[in-house]
Amino acid sequence: DTGVSQNPRHKITKRGQNVTFRCDPISEHNRLYWYRQTLGQGPEFLTYFQNEAQLEKSRLLSDRFSAERPKGSFSTLEIQRTEQGDSAMYLCASSLGRQGDRGYTFGSGTRLTVV
Amino acid sequence: TQLLEQSPQFLSIQEGENLTVYCNSSSVFSSLQWYRQEPGEGPVLLVTVVTGGEVKKLKRLTFQFGDARKDSSLHITAAQPGDTGLYLCAGLRTLLQGGSEKLVFGKGTKLTVNP
Repeated sequence: DTGVSQNPRHKITKRGQNVTFRCDPISEHNRLYWYRQTLGQGPEFLTYFQNEAQLEKSRLLSDRFSAERPKGSFSTLEIQRTEQGDSAMYLCASSLGRQGDRGYTFGSGTRLTVV
Repeated sequence: TQLLEQSPQFLSIQEGENLTVYCNSSSVFSSLQWYRQEPGEGPVLLVTVVTGGEVKKLKRLTFQFGDARKDSSLHITAAQPGDTGLYLCAGLRTLLQGGSEKLVFGKGTKLTVNP
């Protein structure tokens, strides 16, 4: 068990470009979450997958954001036409079924900087 | 909108001192979790409390969940420089339909323990 893996760790992009992040959860975890964290704030919920189904999306997730989890394994988060306000740490987490009460395992995040 | 209020926001103390961090909400959560986050990394789960009035101890850390399951506290005894970090509380909200759930974070308490 290597934990939750996120790639890349850092991404610098020009405004208007598209970016895609990848998350590999713990293999037996069926629940996967994306969060965004800006400086001085706690993580904010973006979206949640149970297996391959995307069950909830935050209103923070504009139509420029899309997330997928094909086959219920890894997940990708794509941001189209990036804006400076998208600069943040993007965190992925996973948990195991109803035992989500036991807490989430977070990855180390992808730090996005839009210039 | 942060539904969980943490206090204090910043705390700087000397090694060996005791401290308490508070997490308050007007909402009831099915469980409440405490995480510790270091710069450039994802949050790491410390503890989950589920039952109102529950107290859990983790070495020098004591966690308490309020009777009404709306608030929690974290007490650290004889703080050490290695305790330095951002302490986040997070409440788990589950939706009755679809099995969806969401972890709602506070802004965190940034703790610095000086040697």
